[in-house]
Amino acid sequence: AQSVTQPDIHITVSEGASLELRCNYSYGATPYLFWYVQSPGQGLQLLLKYFSGDTLVQGIKGFEAEFKRSQSSFNLRKPSVHWSDAAEYFCAVGAYNQGGKLIFGQGTELSVKP
Amino acid sequence: KAGVTQTPRYLIKTRGQQVTLSCSPISGHRSVSWYQQTPGQGLQFLFEYFSETQRNKGNFPGRFSGRQFSNSRSEMNVSTLELGDSALYLCASSLAGQTSTDTQYFGPGTRLTVL
Repeated sequence: AQSVTQPDIHITVSEGASLELRCNYSYGATPYLFWYVQSPGQGLQLLLKYFSGDTLVQGIKGFEAEFKRSQSSFNLRKPSVHWSDAAEYFCAVGAYNQGGKLIFGQGTELSVKP
Repeated sequence: KAGVTQTPRYLIKTRGQQVTLSCSPISGHRSVSWYQQTPGQGLQFLFEYFSETQRNKGNFPGRFSGRQFSNSRSEMNVSTLELGDSALYLCASSLAGQTSTDTQYFGPGTRLTVL
């Protein structure tokens, strides 16, 4: 069965510092991987997605993620964090034979120190 | 293009009652998925509808049901509400619900509180 693990429940970084949010997945075949962001009281917004091809994926708001099959990881990175990046981040996995179903990790809450 | 809309945004019910939540997908999208979000269980997949048919179902009791209309609008119903049903219910729409090619767009959610 598919599963997603986000080991860090809460991360605090200083504004301007770099960021890496971890995501590990479990799936037998090549997964479809996603990162979403949720601001308080809002729905989820897609940051980026990986289906195949280049393992380094660029997304919106300056985010990128790297797919590493050997480590079953899809970590999200940003070189310089802005205060507006404070939110909850969710990694998710989908499968080709399961329509629109996504399995989400538990989420990582990001706080940004001024 | 208008985004995914969900109504109502907030709802308070008492145990034993039933509730119906509505989701209007982005125009042209035929797939609607529903998720339940709680602090303890996180985001959990409820079900997906495509062209008025339920295509996928998560691991929820039969009290949770849904349907999709010919205009792709979807409703979910929860009968005999329990305290544990208090959650944010999110719906997402996509063109065809294929995660390999489609992007899912989420609505703002309906916050259900069961007293």
